[in-house]
Amino acid sequence: QSALTQPASVSGSPGQSITISCTGTSGDIGGSNYVSWYQQHPGKAPKLMIFDVSIRPSGVPNRFSGSKSGNTASLTISGLQAEDEADYFCTSYTSTSSLYVFGAGTKVTV
Amino acid sequence: DVQLVESGGGLVKPGGSLRLSCAASGFIFSDYGMNWVRQAPGKGLKWVSYITTTGTDTYSADSVKGRFTISRDNAKNSLFLQMNSLRVEDTAVYYCARRGVRGSGWHFDYWGQGALVTVSS
Repeated sequence: QSALTQPASVSGSPGQSITISCTGTSGDIGGSNYVSWYQQHPGKAPKLMIFDVSIRPSGVPNRFSGSKSGNTASLTISGLQAEDEADYFCTSYTSTSSLYVFGAGTKVTV
Repeated sequence: DVQLVESGGGLVKPGGSLRLSCAASGFIFSDYGMNWVRQAPGKGLKWVSYITTTGTDTYSADSVKGRFTISRDNAKNSLFLQMNSLRVEDTAVYYCARRGVRGSGWHFDYWGQGALVTVSS
């Protein structure tokens, strides 16, 4: 059982917007602004999409955005494109000895 | 370009040992903390271990404490994971991941392609 809860799947049509939620506790998401999101295509390494809740690394399209409210973080993909079809994982720093906790991942289907 | 290339994966029996390596290039290796993150087949990601820039401090997930040891050789731009007393549940792809330096640093900004470790009798 993963420490962070994500929906197993989310789908949308090209051009639409979708939002993936990631729910934790006050010991991780709720207690810090250290949430990050990763995109993983099948058989590939994960790629950083968002860090510190809402910051996009250079090279990540601005249709990817992140936010947080309480113990829940969210990743929104606007103007969905075919190449966005992938698994998305959230992670957060945690105040426990584990340092990081991950969600189980959300499969996005376009 | 930043490159992280893992090696050393393979098939090992329960109770056995394996040493993973990660060769880093394209950046000043000694300036970055480094992590190992694993992914069991068809499952999500799980953080395994972290080592500071100088190797002075290390941290590991409870599930591998006492069995896995993370280390680094800054002169050779290399990261290692010594895995002992391996269990079937350690079967996974193991990724070498660089700690980010922008913002809080509590994220992984580059990842390797992974090394598959299979623990089976």
